[in-house]
Amino acid sequence: QSVLTQPPSVSAAPGQNVTISCSGSSSDIGSNYVSWYQQLPGTAPRLVIYGDYKRPSGIPDRFSGSKSGTSATLAITGLQTGDEADYYCGTWDTSLSAQFGGGTKVTVL
Amino acid sequence: QITLKESGPTLVKPTQTLTLTCTFSGFSFSTSGVGVAWIRQPPGEALEWLALIYWNDNKRYSPSLKSRLTITKDTAKNHVVLTMTNMDPVDTATYFCARLVSVAGVVVFAYWGQGTLVTVSS
Repeated sequence: QSVLTQPPSVSAAPGQNVTISCSGSSSDIGSNYVSWYQQLPGTAPRLVIYGDYKRPSGIPDRFSGSKSGTSATLAITGLQTGDEADYYCGTWDTSLSAQFGGGTKVTVL
Repeated sequence: QITLKESGPTLVKPTQTLTLTCTFSGFSFSTSGVGVAWIRQPPGEALEWLALIYWNDNKRYSPSLKSRLTITKDTAKNHVVLTMTNMDPVDTATYFCARLVSVAGVVVFAYWGQGTLVTVSS
């Protein structure tokens, strides 16, 4: 059972926008930065957002992150078929253990 | 270019000890701040962090698995080894190693290996 709560799935048509929520507590999200990882089918996760809203080089600006209190959100605008993947939020808790969300499957209709 | 690759047995029997090796290139434990972690993912399930080790031999373990895990490093060989004792079928998963990177105080799993699937079955 993951400490961070995500919806199991979201879907939208190409060109539409989706948001993925990640809910935690004051001991994790409320105390530390949030990262987001994209996992395409059969591959390793890839960092797409760090520090709540920052994008690593090479990640398109269609991906954005935000955080408020003990919840974080990943938004993908202009959805493309290549965005179909599982997305995981991650952070550290106050005992310095890494925590991941349960993952959200993004389906492009 | 930073690469990581996991290696080890693909099949272990219940109660056995699993030993996995992460071999990396493009960075070194001789550099201050370098860290490597292990994360696993059961088939169709979520990521679970297991352990990490830093250049100064600082180690941390998942509280739920701490009694079963040992992480070590070999700076000369660019290896990180994870051992997990008393394996059970619920430990069947793809095991990933990842390099930790600190950017402006934010620690993230920036680079990942391809993962190795370990099945626990008699």
